[in-house]
Amino acid sequence: QKEVEQNSGPLSVPEGAIASLNCTYSDRVSQSFFWYRQYSGKSPELIMSIYSNGDKEDGRFTAQLNKASQYVSLLIRDSQPSDSATYLCAVRMNSGGYQKVTFGTGTKLQVIP
Amino acid sequence: KAGVTQTPRYLIKTRGQQVTLSCSPISGHRSVSWYQQTPGQGLQFLFEYFSETQRNKGNFPGRFSGRQFSNSRSEMNVSTLELGDSALYLCASSSEPGTGGGGYTFGSGTRLTVV
Repeated sequence: QKEVEQNSGPLSVPEGAIASLNCTYSDRVSQSFFWYRQYSGKSPELIMSIYSNGDKEDGRFTAQLNKASQYVSLLIRDSQPSDSATYLCAVRMNSGGYQKVTFGTGTKLQVIP
Repeated sequence: KAGVTQTPRYLIKTRGQQVTLSCSPISGHRSVSWYQQTPGQGLQFLFEYFSETQRNKGNFPGRFSGRQFSNSRSEMNVSTLELGDSALYLCASSSEPGTGGGGYTFGSGTRLTVV
């Protein structure tokens, strides 16, 4: 089992729709969760972080965390063509007594005009 | 404030050679992590440095090494290059190790091609 799993996609949604991106993780005691957006040919940029169960909203983005189910998701409301990118889920977890951040392989999102 | 600076942006090397990549983190950040990104494997953790000490290391062979200087700048070195080392190498800056202070800020990366 991979430490952080995401569906690679592509996930295609029409402009104006809600895009739902999902991520599961294996380390039950993980405490910190991040979503990064990576445009083609660019480096990842942090868009959301979440640490507690529930929802966290920032503009059109909502991160949802369910630690009991080891599940974190990202909702993008009113999707725009400029949201087309690969979205990376990242989890901070213990590794040999230290903390490290493990990334999923990413979900490619395509917003169709 | 200035972002994360990685140099060089592009490199072409031949098998068997070695290469050194550089990363200057955001001013005031003392933690630098290195990742290898390939289309098939995604972002793979190489190592993390904090205050000149390697805190954690990923599952890469000993050909991959790194260090951090007193000004927090970091270098990574790959010796005896193999074709499979072709990848985008990303440096991530954070204020605390393991992004205890929040998420990473990434540099633009170094695209390494081994021929």
